[in-house]
Amino acid sequence: AAGVIQSPRHLIKEKRETATLKCYPIPRHDTVYWYQQGPGQDPQFLISFYEKMQSDKGSIPDRFSAQQFSDYHSELNMSSLELGDSALYFCASSSGQGIAYEQYFGPGTRLTVT
Amino acid sequence: AQSVTQLDSQVPVFEEAPVELRCNYSSSVSVYLFWYVQYPNQGLQLLLKYLSGSTLVKGINGFEAEFNKSQTSFHLRKPSVHISDTAEYFCAVIGTGGFKTIFGAGTRLFVKA
Repeated sequence: AAGVIQSPRHLIKEKRETATLKCYPIPRHDTVYWYQQGPGQDPQFLISFYEKMQSDKGSIPDRFSAQQFSDYHSELNMSSLELGDSALYFCASSSGQGIAYEQYFGPGTRLTVT
Repeated sequence: AQSVTQLDSQVPVFEEAPVELRCNYSSSVSVYLFWYVQYPNQGLQLLLKYLSGSTLVKGINGFEAEFNKSQTSFHLRKPSVHISDTAEYFCAVIGTGGFKTIFGAGTRLFVKA
């Protein structure tokens, strides 16, 4: 079965650079979530989209922005990168906001800021 | 708002022994409860979930969990662990009507031969 695809899988950037992470949800999933997992930490919710509209917002820095496109893929844009942004970024998708509430997670993008 | 507390950061256990990973939550609304497993350098995989109905939930890989509303707990159990169960386990909740998953800090299960 098709899974959530994230690209790139690994990304190395320098401080103050920008990065764009992409997430392709499972076909027919219309909801996308972004999470950040720092080294040795639990995943922290950043932001979510339902039908291309922002549906919830967590601890996402102002330097980050995200959107969901007409084909339901999502991009997380990160500017003025800081060393503390080094983390594993997970994307998850689900089918609507309904009873499923099951979020399928992608493999993650490991961002290293040097 | 919801919060999740995993009471043990690390649980070492011998192979074929039983294990329980503890999870307590707090919430002002009804919640859905989940356990995820994360193997080294991999993404999160859903082990099991509680949405409603029977409070004893069975998941993949022989794991099960019991929802206890009065104690606000959702402990994960396995009667006999394998070396391959060594991983990080996350308890998580979603409040009804919400979107975001709130994770606990994780419990590292280490199975020894």
